[in-house]
Amino acid sequence: DGGITQSPKYLFRKEGQNVTLSCEQNLNHDAMYWYRQDPGQGLRLIYYSQIVNDFQKGDIAEGYSVSREKKESFPLTVTSAQKNPTAFYLCASTFARGSTEAFFGQGTRLTVV
Amino acid sequence: QQQVKQSPQSLIVQKGGISIINCAYENTAFDYFPWYQQFPGKGPALLIAIRPDVSEKKEGRFTISFNKSAKQFSLHIMDSQPGDSATYFCAASMRSGNTPLVFGKGTRLSVIA
Repeated sequence: DGGITQSPKYLFRKEGQNVTLSCEQNLNHDAMYWYRQDPGQGLRLIYYSQIVNDFQKGDIAEGYSVSREKKESFPLTVTSAQKNPTAFYLCASTFARGSTEAFFGQGTRLTVV
Repeated sequence: QQQVKQSPQSLIVQKGGISIINCAYENTAFDYFPWYQQFPGKGPALLIAIRPDVSEKKEGRFTISFNKSAKQFSLHIMDSQPGDSATYFCAASMRSGNTPLVFGKGTRLSVIA
């Protein structure tokens, strides 16, 4: 089945540690996105990539980093510089040209302990 | 600057009633307006979408009404059911510019029997 797979579903991190969230898609989509979801805040864009080896900052990129070495994969690293990393993280993908429907993964809930 | 404003933040509707969620946008270059439905612990999924060349789109019990001059669009859920209880997000983007979706802050809908 085609879709987007995020792993792990739950992640716990100690303060001061970096952690990487995985996102893989087999939809042959060109563009991939990372959103952060907090209660009452909607979905806020962290980073996005429209092509391999290229990505752009979203509205809340500080404290995060990404890479896009393969079309299918767009991992997100939450660094120790992110002041409030506890949140629900969502990965999505679209066809870049005339993109319409965004497909989302099931999310990763990150908790800093 | 919030580009898409969504209201209400939460909504309680009796079973069989009509649920109405409103969104307003600022950027007149937006040309794609989807609504996403999200159940707890899951990623959002596309529910219905509209382009600005039509004023209304209906799919089953779900209808989008679009008012280009007012820069507003709304989601109507007819005959609301308990299974419709979820968080709904409106969004907007520029298809021609391949821009990421900009989301509203979401509406938590509860349909009670």
